[in-house]
Amino acid sequence: DAGVIQSPRHEVTEMGQEVTLRCKPISGHDYLFWYRQTMMRGLELLIYFNNNVPIDDSGMPEDRFSAKMPNASFSTLKIQPSEPRDSAVYFCASSLVEGREQYFGPGTRLTVT
Amino acid sequence: QKEVEQNSGPLSVPEGAIASLNCTYSDRGSQSFFWYRQYSGKSPELIMSIYSNGDKEDGRFTAQLNKASQYVSLLIRDSQPSDSATYLCALEGFSGGYNKLIFGAGTRLAVHP
Repeated sequence: DAGVIQSPRHEVTEMGQEVTLRCKPISGHDYLFWYRQTMMRGLELLIYFNNNVPIDDSGMPEDRFSAKMPNASFSTLKIQPSEPRDSAVYFCASSLVEGREQYFGPGTRLTVT
Repeated sequence: QKEVEQNSGPLSVPEGAIASLNCTYSDRGSQSFFWYRQYSGKSPELIMSIYSNGDKEDGRFTAQLNKASQYVSLLIRDSQPSDSATYLCALEGFSGGYNKLIFGAGTRLAVHP
């Protein structure tokens, strides 16, 4: 079975540009999570969805960040406008049951110059 | 007090030795515990789940859980250089009104030949 799929794997953009990260969860998983990882802050949960509905977005740093899940097999995380401090690795993960095993995608390394 | 505490390391062990990684947590209500391995530049990979007090073995890996003392550990027997990675402890926690995985900052393990 295919795991969690993310695209792009690397993104380099200039400050002020819009960035869109994409994720396809494991088929049948009802929960989808977006994380950000930096050396300074570690792994941070940004937002998670259950059955395509956002459940907790308290980790979204500010209004420049938005996430959608239009269907069970696709989610996006958008940053507009991007800033250098947004540079990080963004992971998408999915799980079958809330609070149980989560499986991570390969991540998107974002660099904002 | 952090919800999940891990020694950042690096924990350096010789090849063939037992590596012992420890994690303490503050939420007595946590019921599910996980160990993830993260190689440099890669995504977290789930290697062990444990739900009951005691030991759970999987190949060279043994997870140990003691809910009364609020710690969970991971033992790696016959450590190999390929085990060199950061190991993240995670547990099911109730935070901000939601059931999530709470991650520790990770312990870096270095296995030297």
